[in-house]
Amino acid sequence: KNQVEQSPQSLIILEGKNCTLQCNYTVSPFSNLRWYKQDTGRGPVSLTIMTFSENTKSNGRYTATLDADTKQSSLHITASQLSDSASYICVVSEASKLTFGTGTRLQVTL
Amino acid sequence: DVKVTQSSRYLVKRTGEKVFLECVQDMDHENMFWYRQDPGLGLRLIYFSYDVKMKEKGDIPEGYSVSREKKERFSLILESASTNQTSMYLCASSSRNPTGAIIYEQYFGPGTRLTVT
Repeated sequence: KNQVEQSPQSLIILEGKNCTLQCNYTVSPFSNLRWYKQDTGRGPVSLTIMTFSENTKSNGRYTATLDADTKQSSLHITASQLSDSASYICVVSEASKLTFGTGTRLQVTL
Repeated sequence: DVKVTQSSRYLVKRTGEKVFLECVQDMDHENMFWYRQDPGLGLRLIYFSYDVKMKEKGDIPEGYSVSREKKERFSLILESASTNQTSMYLCASSSRNPTGAIIYEQYFGPGTRLTVT
């Protein structure tokens, strides 16, 4: 069964600090990997999409990396802000099917 | 900007009621999706549609049906709501990737929090 596992489940960091979220997957064949940000009570919003040939992609303070050989991805957040408090969801795509991780809940505090 | 709207943010219904959740997108996307999101389970696909009047079952279609009479509108129907259908429901849309993959960038609506009592 194709799976996407994220770690940690939750994380608390101080404002201004960096953090890294992990995503391991077993989905095969692989088409692309996405990271979404979901604020509480809202729909997910796309941060990055990477195909198997890309190993890094940035969107402002968010940088995603992908190692298709080890089937691992990470999302690095630089200089965190209070507005980064949200759930971050890793999604792996075959050609026509998406498999969603259960997300990492990030809380940024003063 | 792509906009996906859902008819209600919060909804409370009684067991056995028929429930309609409406989703509208304004970007002329071919593909539309309905998911439910529950704590610890991630998003799970209920139904999706590749075109008007087309529908395909997702991973958890039991207890649900859908309707797509117009390209911009995709409705989720709970024929007889049950308490285990209490959940957050998310609609999404996407265009077809020019390279051939059916699903590329997905845009989500704000969600409908449905409570069945």
